Amino acid sequence: DSGVTQTPKHLITATGQRVTLRCSPRSGDLSVYWYQQSLDQGLQFLIQYYNGEERAKGNILERFSAQQFPDLHSELNLSSLELGDSALYFCASSPRSVDSSPLHFGNGTRLTVT
Amino acid sequence: SQQGEEDPQALSIQEGENATMNCSYKTSINNLQWYRQNSGRGLVHLILIRSNEREKHSGRLRVTLDTSKKSSSLLITASRAADTASYFCATADNYGQNFVFGPGTRLSVLP
Repeated sequence: DSGVTQTPKHLITATGQRVTLRCSPRSGDLSVYWYQQSLDQGLQFLIQYYNGEERAKGNILERFSAQQFPDLHSELNLSSLELGDSALYFCASSPRSVDSSPLHFGNGTRLTVT
Repeated sequence: SQQGEEDPQALSIQEGENATMNCSYKTSINNLQWYRQNSGRGLVHLILIRSNEREKHSGRLRVTLDTSKKSSSLLITASRAADTASYFCATADNYGQNFVFGPGTRLSVLP
């Protein structure tokens, strides 16, 4: 068990809808990362937060947004969903923002857009 | 574009054989990490090698890093069926941020 909790595990929704994915980092970790994994794109870095502030941004679409709350949990909001947004969404955490600590991953949320 | 690229994309070996996977990257790095993913599960960290290190061992794992060639290799010795998984390399930039993963190598170890 990595200590990172993601909910829900599965999500099925229709095109055009909006969903929120939730992540609770490992106890003591201040940094949260979001990744998208689809069959044809591998693991794509979306965004990183550190202690409530956005720290790095990857290939995150404008339809997607995220935030990290004072209790350090994070939410990834996906809106105007398209079929191509179907993927596994992973959250990972690490103790700090700028260091060489390994990332600890949750088991992901599998999003299916129909 | 991906920072890390694993090679081969897929590898199938017999139990007891060694498995070697390679990773190439494009820019300067602070460190390189290898992760393992069982089907549909989260990634699990295996080993980290810093840019000033050339080789590192952890149990049956051996990782090398050649910064002049911008490449790394992961060797799994005496493989077991339980090693069947996808293996990813990930690089962090010079600030230790922006962990970028390659597309992975799918390893199948046949009993």
